[in-house]
Amino acid sequence: NAGVTQTPKFRILKIGQSMTLQCAQDMNHNYMYWYRQDPGMGLKLIYYSVGAGITDKGEVPNGYNVSRSTTEDFPLRLELAAPSQTSVYFCASRWDRGNTIYFGEGSWLTVV
Amino acid sequence: AQKVTQAQTEISVVEKEDVTLDCVYETRDTTYYLFWYKQPPSGELVFLIRRNSFDEQNEISGRYSWNFQKSTSSFNFTITASQVVDSAVYFCALSEARESGGYQKVTFGTGTKLQVIP
Repeated sequence: NAGVTQTPKFRILKIGQSMTLQCAQDMNHNYMYWYRQDPGMGLKLIYYSVGAGITDKGEVPNGYNVSRSTTEDFPLRLELAAPSQTSVYFCASRWDRGNTIYFGEGSWLTVV
Repeated sequence: AQKVTQAQTEISVVEKEDVTLDCVYETRDTTYYLFWYKQPPSGELVFLIRRNSFDEQNEISGRYSWNFQKSTSSFNFTITASQVVDSAVYFCALSEARESGGYQKVTFGTGTKLQVIP
């Protein structure tokens, strides 16, 4: 019953550091997403992928990069962390358009 | 443009009261999907329901019920006999069904925080 697995769950970064949030799903889903949720706000899409080797920008891509070398994995790279990237990050996946979106448990990131 | 509005930012009810969370959406698509998610204090996002635009039947699942009305572009969520465990932030979301540059846009509302007081 793994579903969508994100690591790490909590991380504190210093300004200018880089890190990668890992996301893996075991449901053979084609679509994968990265969202961020700022305090008291809804979800904003950072990047998405419609299949291995295909990624594209969402609403708020600046400061982030992604790759999708396999169907299962969709890591999110933060380059040169800034305080504005302090947020909760959610990875999500679904089989196809219109299907239910399943979320990971979230990764709490603080940039100081 | 696609939009989801959850006008109620926070609601407080006393345990056992019924409560309705409102969701109003905008889309130009004729085929679309609507979702509700629960985010308890622990932070994860829990899927509650998915409804396509051609199915206007109301749905009941235990103490939860959903009222979908295309005429008013609303997809409201009612919790009957609320319990403390229902305290959470609830998100409504709208998903296009057609391809749009390879991406199906999914728009989330800003959420309604429900506090159930014992």
